[in-house]
Amino acid sequence: AQSVTQLDSHVSVSEGTPVLLRCNYSSSYSPSLFWYVQHPNKGLQLLLKYTSAATLVKGINGFEAEFKKSETSFHLTKPSAHMSDAAEYFCVVSKPGGGSNYKLTFGKGTLLTVNP
Amino acid sequence: NAGVTQTPKFQVLKTGQSMTLQCAQDMNHEYMSWYRQDPGMGLRLIHYSVGAGITDQGEVPNGYNVSRSTTEDFPLRLLSAAPSQTSVYFCASSSDRGVYGYTFGSGTRLTVV
Repeated sequence: AQSVTQLDSHVSVSEGTPVLLRCNYSSSYSPSLFWYVQHPNKGLQLLLKYTSAATLVKGINGFEAEFKKSETSFHLTKPSAHMSDAAEYFCVVSKPGGGSNYKLTFGKGTLLTVNP
Repeated sequence: NAGVTQTPKFQVLKTGQSMTLQCAQDMNHEYMSWYRQDPGMGLRLIHYSVGAGITDQGEVPNGYNVSRSTTEDFPLRLLSAAPSQTSVYFCASSSDRGVYGYTFGSGTRLTVV
């Protein structure tokens, strides 16, 4: 079985300071990992994805994440927060399901608040 | 713009009523899925399809039916709505078995009273 744990349900930062959103996963094999962002009353947008290539993955809007197999972690970072980064962030793991369909398992989300 | 289109955006149902949530994609994606989002739960898979004519159950399928008669469309049917089905529903599609992630629709907010 696979699972994903987002270690913080809520993170609050000041504008211009670094962002760290933590995610740990468990999987019996090398998974594909994703971060999605959801702005209020909007759908989900893919921020970045890890699919067994480079362990440091760069995404949109200045976000990046590092895959650390030894720590089973895939933390999301950004050097300097912007007000527009305020949203909910989901860490997602993908594994093969029935019929070779890769099913997504979502973490419970981390709400990022950015203070002026 | 190409993408996943969900209708309606909002819906209020009475307990026991039935309805169909529509999902259409114009990217020729084989793989489509329905998720529900509840506070503090993330997204949970309801049903999915790996191609026209093929569907399967996800994590929380009870009370929902799906069909996939065309590549483009993947409607979700609520047979007899219950208050526990109050949620936000997302449809998603992928062209590569989901390995590289899914494209999500903007969601349908459903309230059952």
